Amino acid sequence: DAGVIQSPRHEVTEMGQEVTLRCKPISGHDYLFWYRQTMMRGLELLIYFNNNVPIDDSGMPEDRFSAKMPNASFSTLKIQPSEPRDSAVYFCASSFGQGNQPQHFGDGTRLSIL
Amino acid sequence: GENVEQHPSTLSVQEGDSAVIKCTYSDSASNYFPWYKQELGKRPQLIIDIRSNVGEKKDQRIAVTLNKTAKHFSLHITETQPEDSAVYFCAAIYNSGGSNYKLTFGKGTLLTVNP
Repeated sequence: DAGVIQSPRHEVTEMGQEVTLRCKPISGHDYLFWYRQTMMRGLELLIYFNNNVPIDDSGMPEDRFSAKMPNASFSTLKIQPSEPRDSAVYFCASSFGQGNQPQHFGDGTRLSIL
Repeated sequence: GENVEQHPSTLSVQEGDSAVIKCTYSDSASNYFPWYKQELGKRPQLIIDIRSNVGEKKDQRIAVTLNKTAKHFSLHITETQPEDSAVYFCAAIYNSGGSNYKLTFGKGTLLTVNP
């Protein structure tokens, strides 16, 4: 089991640029979650998918953020245009089933917007 | 929505001592409570979880207790070792409407185990 795989591990870019974060969930998992972690706000849920369908995007901070899941093994989180306040660690997690099922996290993408 | 409070924010213990981290939650319907350990620069890693149909669960040196009446749950680490040093997060699942469930995380506890 390779676990949840995220890329890139680190991203440094200038304000205004488009940023795309990628995630491959654990094979067989039907839920995929995107989280953002900062010192000030802790771990925040941005959006989650069930069977590739977005279920709840109420945590997405603004229209500059978008997420897609074109198939069961791939998801992207895009920020366009990026701003310095978007700097954070972005984690992807997946689970088999929801509710009281464990979520397994990827290694995260550390994003720095200059 | 759910509100999860975690205390203390920092905890320093001597190697071999026990460490206890406490969390409270607000939604009485919450029924799943995982604990995650996050080492510096690493991903949150699930270390133990408990469901609302039990009051206690143990896994070697780690145990979690749940008091549904008081709406609080605690993580207990016995015989602490330097490699236990990390940030620990509690979380609670809640129903955000229909069949939608979300995890809400506490703010974390930085545990330092001094050799």
